[in-house]
Amino acid sequence: AQSVTQLGSHVSVSEGALVLLRCNYSSSVPPYLFWYVQYPNQGLQLLLKYTTGATLVKGINGFEAEFKKSETSFHLTKPSAHMSDAAEYFCAVSPGASKIIFGSGTRLSIRP
Amino acid sequence: DAGITQSPRYKITETGRQVTLMCHQTWSHSYMFWYRQDLGHGLRLIYYSAAADITDKGEVPDGYVVSRSKTENFPLTLESATRSQTSVYFCASSATGSGNTIYFGEGSWLTVV
Repeated sequence: AQSVTQLGSHVSVSEGALVLLRCNYSSSVPPYLFWYVQYPNQGLQLLLKYTTGATLVKGINGFEAEFKKSETSFHLTKPSAHMSDAAEYFCAVSPGASKIIFGSGTRLSIRP
Repeated sequence: DAGITQSPRYKITETGRQVTLMCHQTWSHSYMFWYRQDLGHGLRLIYYSAAADITDKGEVPDGYVVSRSKTENFPLTLESATRSQTSVYFCASSATGSGNTIYFGEGSWLTVV
């Protein structure tokens, strides 16, 4: 069965510091991988996705993620955190069927 | 660009009552989804639909009913609401299945008292 594990339900970093949100997945087939962001009282928005090709994927707002098949990981990074990055982040996997499976989310807080 | 809209955005209902959450999308996407979001559980798929008149169960379908008579609409009905169904419900749509971006509505906050 496919699943997604996000390590750390809450991550806090200082403004300007590196952001690293961890995501590991399990899938019996080559997956499609996504990161979504959710701001308070809003729906989810796509940050970036990996389908095929280059394993380093760049998204909106300076975020990027690298697909590492050997580690079954798809960690999200941003070199320098901004206050506006405070939100809930969800990693998701689509194993080739019509469904997408979400992780339980990581809440990112930014300290001034 | 209206996108995907949900109604009502906020609803309080009593245990045992029937409640319908509406979802409408303007993109003519084939796939539509209903998720519920609960603290500690992330998003869990309730039902999805690959096309009009085609629906299938997700991870947590019990207590819910869906229909899709038109491509653009995908209502979710709680036949007899229970307190455990208090949640935030998100409707979403996608042009095709896997690999395509899923677009979300802004959510419907449902409280069952």
